[in-house]
Amino acid sequence: LAKTTQPISMDSYEGQEVNITCSHNNIATNDYITWYQQFPSQGPRFIIQGYKTKVTNEVASLFIPADRKSSTLSLPRVSLSDTAVYYCLLLNNAGNMLTFGGGTRLMVKP
Amino acid sequence: NAGVTQTPKFRILKIGQSMTLQCTQDMNHNYMYWYRQDPGMGLKLIYYSVGAGITDKGEVPNGYNVSRSTTEDFPLRLELAAPSQTSVYFCASSLTVITDTQYFGPGTRLTVL
Repeated sequence: LAKTTQPISMDSYEGQEVNITCSHNNIATNDYITWYQQFPSQGPRFIIQGYKTKVTNEVASLFIPADRKSSTLSLPRVSLSDTAVYYCLLLNNAGNMLTFGGGTRLMVKP
Repeated sequence: NAGVTQTPKFRILKIGQSMTLQCTQDMNHNYMYWYRQDPGMGLKLIYYSVGAGITDKGEVPNGYNVSRSTTEDFPLRLELAAPSQTSVYFCASSLTVITDTQYFGPGTRLTVL
C-alpha cells in the first residue's frame, strides 16, 4: 500500500547540501506531504510538512512542484549527526493507513 | 512534560504468552497511535485512537487489541504471542487531526521465542 517512492540510500559529506526526492504520483487532493527523521533505536521525529510550493523551517526546506506528484527534502550543510533514515509520508485527515514505507538511509561521511 | 512514555523497554515472550505494552502521554493529545517496526523496515500502523473510548484499526491489527479509557493512556494488548510479532513497537500521539505533528515514544523491543 506504499503511496510514496524514495531512494533506499544516499551518501553525502559533511557541509554538503542533501536533496532527497520522493515520488507520489497518486497523491490525493487532501494529502499533506510530511517528512520524518529516525535515528537508530529511537522513534521518528517530525521534520517538515507542506501542501504545495515551498516550505522552510530551521531544519530543512521542502520543495513541491505544482502537480504535487513529487517532493524534495533539502537539508543544508549536513553534519555527521544528520545520519538517519528519512521517511516521506502522505497524510490526510481521513487516512487510517499511515504507512511510513522503507525510507531513505542517509549516511553523512567526514 | 515527559512527552510519550512506553513500558517496558525490552521484553522476551514465549509463544502463546500474552502481554500489555503501556503507553502514556502527558501533552493532552487527543490522537494516539501504535506502530510496529520490523528490522530494516518502515513503520506500520497497528491501531489508532481519536479520543477516549474511540479506537480504529490500522494496516496490521491482527493479533492485537487496544483500549482507550482515558486521554493519557493507550495500552496495546498482545494475545497468544507469535514469532511474527517480534518487532519494535512505537506509540505516538498528536494534538488533533492526523496531519498534526506526531510525537513518538522511545519504543518497546519485543522478542517472541
